[in-house]
Order: sequence, then structure tokens, then C-alpha cells
Amino acid sequence: EAQVTQNPRYLITVTGKKLTVTCSQNMNHEYMSWYRQDPGLGLRQIYYSMNVEVTDKGDVPEGYKVSRKEKRNFPLILESPSPNQTSLYFCASSLNSPNTGELFFGEGSRLTVL
Amino acid sequence: RKEVEQDPGPFNVPEGATVAFNCTYSNSASQSFFWYRQDCRKEPKLLMSVYSSGNEDGRFTAQLNRASQYISLLIRDSKLSDSATYLCVVNEAGRRALTFGSGTRLQVQP
Repeated sequence: EAQVTQNPRYLITVTGKKLTVTCSQNMNHEYMSWYRQDPGLGLRQIYYSMNVEVTDKGDVPEGYKVSRKEKRNFPLILESPSPNQTSLYFCASSLNSPNTGELFFGEGSRLTVL
Repeated sequence: RKEVEQDPGPFNVPEGATVAFNCTYSNSASQSFFWYRQDCRKEPKLLMSVYSSGNEDGRFTAQLNRASQYISLLIRDSKLSDSATYLCVVNEAGRRALTFGSGTRLQVQP
């Protein structure tokens, strides 16, 4: 089954404790992206990647890192989480650029930073 | 000013009603337009792309007005299963990212 898989789905952590949210897709998509969703603000892009070893900042990259060592994986790293990073995070992928094709989302990862 | 603006709703309509949502975008250079649907606590999923000439998919009709910079979604004969949040999505020229509106919530009631 074609899918985007994120883990963990739910996480409660404390300020400053490094964490990684994994994302994997099995559709051989070149484009992958991370979004956060907050009430009233909609989905905002954190980082994206056009292909292996090619990553770029989105609209809200501060406090996050990403890597794209393999085509299928695009982990999101919070080196020192803070309470303002409490949010619902979505990983997404598409075959090429998202302007022309459908963006497929993972089920989301709900993160709470205390 | 937000790049993509939507009325958050909720729109409460009876089954069988016709309901329309509008969305405005600020960047006149925007090239691609979409409607995504998001069920409560779920991930967004593509509902339909929006083409300049307007397009229809079953009970759903999407239209684009470039001059006024707005996009519309019309749902005919609403079903209970149409209850969801509808996200207006725009791609701006030169950007490899989609810009999402905050969504309009629809609640179809029996």
C-alpha cells in the first residue's frame, strides 16, 4: 500500500530534550516536506527536500533540522525543543514538485513540549 | 495579511443542501490551486485541483477567478460524510511549496 509513515504519532517531552520524528514513504517520491499545523494558522511549511541531499527552508524553519540521506526517509529533528514547538506535525511527499502533483500526507505526529 | 484567506465557519447545513466556500489569495503570480479535505484529527487529502476553466467532480465544482483572486468550491446535495474541514491551497510561481489556508469547517446535519 502506498503510504507516508510517521513515528511517533504522539509524544510528550520536556524542554531541551532532543527528539527526532521519522518519516518514510514507499512511493519513490522525489519531493518530501514537513509541515506544522496550529489552530487558526493552518499548515505552515518547515523544511522541504527536492531530492537526496537537497533540502531547503520553508516558512518556519527556526528550531528544526532535517536530513535526506535516502530517497525514502526525511526525519525532522528538534535539537532543543521548546513549548512553542508544541504542534501537530505532518510529513508529506509528492512525485516531483507539489505544484503539479498531489501531495500525500502522513497521519500526523502530535508533539507536546512541557 | 494572510496569503490565503478562508472563512473558518463552521457552516452548518442540512443534508441535501448546496453549500459554497470561497477563498482569496494575495499573490497574483500564483499558478496552481487546489482544494484539500481534512477530517477531524486526520491528515489532509487532495479533493480536487482547480483549473482556470472551472472543473467538476461529481457533486463538487471548483472555480477560479484570477481577476478577483479567489477560488470557490461548491458542494451539491450535501451528505453527512461531507462533514470535514476544506483547505484552500495555492502555489506561488517559483516556490516549491504549497500555501494552505486555515480551512473552512463544514458540518452536515441530518
